[in-house]
Amino acid sequence: EAGVTQSPTHLIKTRGQQATLRCSPISGHTSVYWYQQALGLGLQFLLWYDEGEERNRGNFPPRFSGRQFPNYSSELNVNALELEDSALYLCASSSAGMRQTQYFGPGTRLLVL
Amino acid sequence: AQSVTQLDSQVPVFEEAPVELRCNYSSSVSVYLFWYVQYPNQGLQLLLKYLSGSTLVKGINGFEAEFNKSQTSFHLRKPSVHISDTAEYFCAVSPLNTGGFKTIFGAGTRLFVKA
Repeated sequence: EAGVTQSPTHLIKTRGQQATLRCSPISGHTSVYWYQQALGLGLQFLLWYDEGEERNRGNFPPRFSGRQFPNYSSELNVNALELEDSALYLCASSSAGMRQTQYFGPGTRLLVL
Repeated sequence: AQSVTQLDSQVPVFEEAPVELRCNYSSSVSVYLFWYVQYPNQGLQLLLKYLSGSTLVKGINGFEAEFNKSQTSFHLRKPSVHISDTAEYFCAVSPLNTGGFKTIFGAGTRLFVKA
């Protein structure tokens, strides 16, 4: 069974640009979560998508947004990039029957110059 | 609200020695408990989880954890570590009957195994 996949693995952008990160969940999983792991700040919850809808968001500005597609894959968009957006962005998925058990992808490392 | 405290930010240990990584939590409701491992430049991998039943949970790579409700702890142990266990370990709690977005992760414990 394939795990959670994320692309790209690395992304380099400059301030003010937009970044798009992609995530494919484990087959059969309907929930996708996005986390930011910045140096020294631990895992910060960003967004939760389930059945195509945004269900909850963490304490991040609106320039962090995303969507979930009918095949349950997901996209995270970060507009107007700032230097402090540099971080590892992790995607996780879970099944409808056990939402608390999250399986993580390898992450996308975003560097904003 | 829930909180998770990983009591050690770094744990150095020699190869083949036992190790314990400590995790305490607080919660006003019942929770599920998890340990994840993050190897350098990788995502998080689920090591083990406690949902219900036996308080001693066995996970992958020879790790186990014991849920102690009275002490609100979920310490991770391994009887003999290998160099390859060098990684960061995260304890997490998630309240029952909610979406995973309420999962709270600890700050992490960096395990460094020396030869």
